[in-house]
Amino acid sequence: DAKTTQPNSMESNEEEPVHLPCNHSTISGTDYIHWYRQLPSQGPEYVIHGLTSNVNNRMASLAIAEDRKSSTLILHRATLRDAAVYYCILRRNYGGSQGNLIFGKGTKLSVKP
Amino acid sequence: SAVISQKPSRDICQRGTSLTIQCQVDSQVTMMFWYRQQPGQSLTLIATANQGSEATYESGFVIDKFPISRPNLTFSTLTVSNMSPEDSSIYLCSVEKGQGYTEAFFGQGTRLTVV
Repeated sequence: DAKTTQPNSMESNEEEPVHLPCNHSTISGTDYIHWYRQLPSQGPEYVIHGLTSNVNNRMASLAIAEDRKSSTLILHRATLRDAAVYYCILRRNYGGSQGNLIFGKGTKLSVKP
Repeated sequence: SAVISQKPSRDICQRGTSLTIQCQVDSQVTMMFWYRQQPGQSLTLIATANQGSEATYESGFVIDKFPISRPNLTFSTLTVSNMSPEDSSIYLCSVEKGQGYTEAFFGQGTRLTVV
């Protein structure tokens, strides 16, 4: 599976935007970019995913570089509840079925009031 | 979505004993997964459990140590056998509903301490 590289930690102020970067220079054409986050003492939860185009949902936005070798998860207004470990994961598509979710070390996001 | 209930939520066990962790889902799902999260670490996939077939184990994990059952489309168990302190971890169940669904759902985890 292709690897991702994320900063170990980031800090943000409450109500400010947060840009969480992810590098995936060995991404293949069939790899989707998934983001999950893990709040303290909870299991991971899905945030967003994309293939080539930028994506928006109620939780976040995903900006994907044109060459797909990097992506950025954007939280538009960070809240204290957004403090979590954020995982960027490449997930291969095998003709309709998906490869397993392989977690890296992720980025620990701290949000200051 | 899928709501996952894991039992027990936590346990303290003696070395050499075994613990069976249950994962119950509120709807039928195609794929179920078991992960381990050691203290301060990320998640590591142990195995994939599909109904009607043997579980598929990842490198470094074996059936004798982590036997898995998947009797139906809403339930699975993971047993941690002959435990040692190195098995102290959080064990998480995850499910996916199948083709066309890209989102995985996770349980709250079982925090296991082996003494």
